[in-house]
Amino acid sequence: KQEVTQIPAALSVPEGENLVLNCSFTDSAIYNLQWFRQDPGKGLTSLLLIQSSQREQTSGRLNASLDKSSGRSTLYIAASQPGDSATYLCAVLGGGADGLTFGKGTHLIIQP
Amino acid sequence: SAVISQKPSRDICQRGTSLTIQCQVDSQVTMMFWYRQQPGQSLTLIATANQGSEATYESGFVIDKFPISRPNLTFSTLTVSNMSPEDSSIYLCSVEETANTEAFFGQGTRLTVV
Repeated sequence: KQEVTQIPAALSVPEGENLVLNCSFTDSAIYNLQWFRQDPGKGLTSLLLIQSSQREQTSGRLNASLDKSSGRSTLYIAASQPGDSATYLCAVLGGGADGLTFGKGTHLIIQP
Repeated sequence: SAVISQKPSRDICQRGTSLTIQCQVDSQVTMMFWYRQQPGQSLTLIATANQGSEATYESGFVIDKFPISRPNLTFSTLTVSNMSPEDSSIYLCSVEETANTEAFFGQGTRLTVV
């Protein structure tokens, strides 16, 4: 059964810092990995999708990497802003499961 | 990207009653899914909604409790039946335009059972 772990569970940093969120998964037979953002009481916003054949994807200040063989992904946020405060979820598709398997998320607070 | 409208956005229901949640997509999509997010937890897949046939349920979820319809490629409903306080969660609809591609989510339905 696919399992996804996110570290750290919570993170609080001053505005302007660069930061890294980590995600690991147990079954490397995935189709893709997706990073989402969830604001309190809201649905999920897709940030980045990395196909299993790709190593990284970039969107603005966000960069996500994927090392499928080791079962790891990182989300790099450059020059953090208070508006980046949210819960960040990592999810994988495949690995013996239907639909997405989610981690428990990293609750991020950017201090002004 | 697909635009997903989910209704209602929130509801407070009495135990023992049922609630039907609607998910409407602005374009035809191959895959539709329903997820549950219990308080303080991450998302868990309830079922895959199959167009024209019975939904495929994950372990721990059954059709009698969570009946799902998908009459066409743009619409699905999830019913939470005979509700108890333990069903208080956010329920989210998700779509993939074609299988194994980027997933998009609706804004969710926040359900409170009293």
